[in-house]
Amino acid sequence: DAGVTQSPTHLIKTRGQQVTLRCSPKSGHDTVSWYQQALGQGPQFIFQYYEEEERQRGNFPDRFSGHQFPNYSSELNVNALLLGDSALYLCASSSTGTSGRQYFGPGTRLTVT
Amino acid sequence: SQQGEEDPQALSIQEGENATMNCSYKTSINNLQWYRQNSGRGLVHLILIRSNEREKHSGRLRVTLDTSKKSSSLLITASRAADTASYFCATDFKGNRDDKIIFGKGTRLHILP
Repeated sequence: DAGVTQSPTHLIKTRGQQVTLRCSPKSGHDTVSWYQQALGQGPQFIFQYYEEEERQRGNFPDRFSGHQFPNYSSELNVNALLLGDSALYLCASSSTGTSGRQYFGPGTRLTVT
Repeated sequence: SQQGEEDPQALSIQEGENATMNCSYKTSINNLQWYRQNSGRGLVHLILIRSNEREKHSGRLRVTLDTSKKSSSLLITASRAADTASYFCATDFKGNRDDKIIFGKGTRLHILP
């Protein structure tokens, strides 16, 4: 039973570019959440997807957008990259009604130069 | 802003000793979770404790919750080198719908040989 997978593992982009990160949830999970973790900080909630719709959103600008597909996998898109977007991006999946427990993927390390 | 705050920010102890980390939060919660993260990788779920529970155990881990003080503690007994990691508390606060959890900044634990 595969856990949460994310791709790519590492990514280097230039300021102003756009990036797409991908996540496949754990088998049986229908909800995907995305987090940004800056170095030395805790993960910050970006948004959550359920039934292909954004269900909740944290305090992130519209440059951050996402999508969920019918198979529950998800993408995180960031436009007009800034140096401050450099971080570890974590995807977590859960099953609706399981009251909070989330399973995390290994993350994508994004470096913006 | 982050809901939970861990204390201390960093902790170094000798192998075999017990490690205690604390978490304080601001608003009433449905549950509180502890996660471990090794070297900037994905988070591993350790324990979830619900607001109506006061203590939970899992192997060498013991978590307590005091809702009157809005605080929780994580105790790791008989520490091992492999316990070296960052530990985060995450809260699912009341009034929050749909599995959004808020992380603290973490405690960096270093086990000395």
